[in-house]
Amino acid sequence: DTAVSQTPKYLVTQMGNDKSIKCEQNLGHDTMYWYKQDSKKFLKIMFSYNNKELIINETVPNRFSPKSPDKAHLNLHINSLELGDSAVYFCASSQVFFGGERLFFGSGTQLSVL
Amino acid sequence: KQEVTQIPAALSVPEGENLVLNCSFTDSAIYNLQWFRQDPGKGLTSLLLIQSSQREQTSGRLNASLDKSSGRSTLYIAASQPGDSATYLCAGGGSGTYKYIFGTGTRLKVLA
Repeated sequence: DTAVSQTPKYLVTQMGNDKSIKCEQNLGHDTMYWYKQDSKKFLKIMFSYNNKELIINETVPNRFSPKSPDKAHLNLHINSLELGDSAVYFCASSQVFFGGERLFFGSGTQLSVL
Repeated sequence: KQEVTQIPAALSVPEGENLVLNCSFTDSAIYNLQWFRQDPGKGLTSLLLIQSSQREQTSGRLNASLDKSSGRSTLYIAASQPGDSATYLCAGGGSGTYKYIFGTGTRLKVLA
C-alpha cells in the first residue's frame, strides 16, 4: 500500500509539448505539495494545497498549473515544456498532529525534455 | 527568506565510524525539523521528526537534535554501515506554514 503514489515514474517528451503528472495519497492528509529537484539535487517547493485550496505558489511560471479535484489528489499539468523543465518532480503530503507535521513523499517523476 | 545550508556537502568514511551531519537555517523560527534520506533514483524517506516542542529525537543508530536559538540541527549516525550510504536532507517548516524548506544535502558514502 503506497502512501503517496505518483505517475508516471518517467516522462520523456519534446519541447513545446503539454504533459501531466498525477499524484494520489491514501493517508487522509489535508495538505499536498509539489517539489522540484534539479540536477544538483536541490529540492524546491513549487505549490502547496490545503483541502483542495492553493496556499503557496512559489513564483512558478504559469505554464505549470496544479489541480486538486479532492484532498487526496494533486495533479500537475505543464504546458509548452521547455528544456529547463527537465528535473525530478516530487509529490508530498502532510498532516498537522499534536504540534508536529511529518512530510511523506512519492517516489518522483523524472521529466526529460528533449 | 529562509535558507538552509548543510555541511559537509559530501562525506566519505570507513565503516564503523560515528559521524555528524550539520544543518543550519537563516531564520531560526522553525516549527518542525525533519531529516530525510534519499537513495539514488529514489524518493525521500523520513528518518526523524523533531516537533516544535522537542529538542531531540532518536531512532536506532540515528540521533537528531535541534537548537532553535542558533537555528542549527545535527544528525548523528553511530557505527556507520555501507547501507547508510545515501544523500541526507534536512527540512524545516510545517505546522501551518504549508511549506518545508530543504537543505542542500550531504552525500554520504560509507566504505566497507
